[in-house]
Amino acid sequence: SQQGEEDPQALSIQEGENATMNCSYKTSINNLQWYRQNSGRGLVHLILIRSNEREKHSGRLRVTLDTSKKSSSLLITASRAADTASYFCATSDTGRRALTFGSGTRLQVQP
Amino acid sequence: NAGVTQTPKFQVLKTGQSMTLQCAQDMNHNSMYWYRQDPGMGLRLIYYSASEGTTDKGEVPNGYNVSRLNKREFSLRLESAAPSQTSVYFCASRTGPSGSVTQYFGPGTRLLVL
Repeated sequence: SQQGEEDPQALSIQEGENATMNCSYKTSINNLQWYRQNSGRGLVHLILIRSNEREKHSGRLRVTLDTSKKSSSLLITASRAADTASYFCATSDTGRRALTFGSGTRLQVQP
Repeated sequence: NAGVTQTPKFQVLKTGQSMTLQCAQDMNHNSMYWYRQDPGMGLRLIYYSASEGTTDKGEVPNGYNVSRLNKREFSLRLESAAPSQTSVYFCASRTGPSGSVTQYFGPGTRLLVL
């Protein structure tokens, strides 16, 4: 079963706007990661946030984590057409050696 | 430095046929993984190998077998393909069980079972 569920499933915005996508998960985690997948390609790691962190930044990306609500959000600021992709959250806990992925958010950035 | 490579890129099989998906990484990673991705869904773990010489079942192992041939290579075998195995298969690797949790993915193998 999927650990994480992303919301929304699909998002369409204009270039320059901000994009926010959310992820909810079910069990206790050590960390949460966000990955991007361009159409027909493999996944690429974007950013990791540990369970004892609340917010993390990397370039135009901002990730928040609320362990009490078991949720995370990914904000992409000043979006570009090249940001068009699917975005997945993935979690890992102390007991597992592999990642558990959510179902993804498909982001379309209109030029 | 090619990262994670997968072969073939695309394959069509008939029900009951067998095939092996190949994966290799040149990053000296200890852990390797096989996932499948069905339309509109995230990735589900089939099998993983935490280190050379070990393999473990993931969430959806039925119908698959794996071999960790050496540190670089991790293959996935379908002994008798079924239409339900039509999917995109991704191989991934990471440093190791106690290292960074970031995984590096190959480009995927698209498999169609008729």
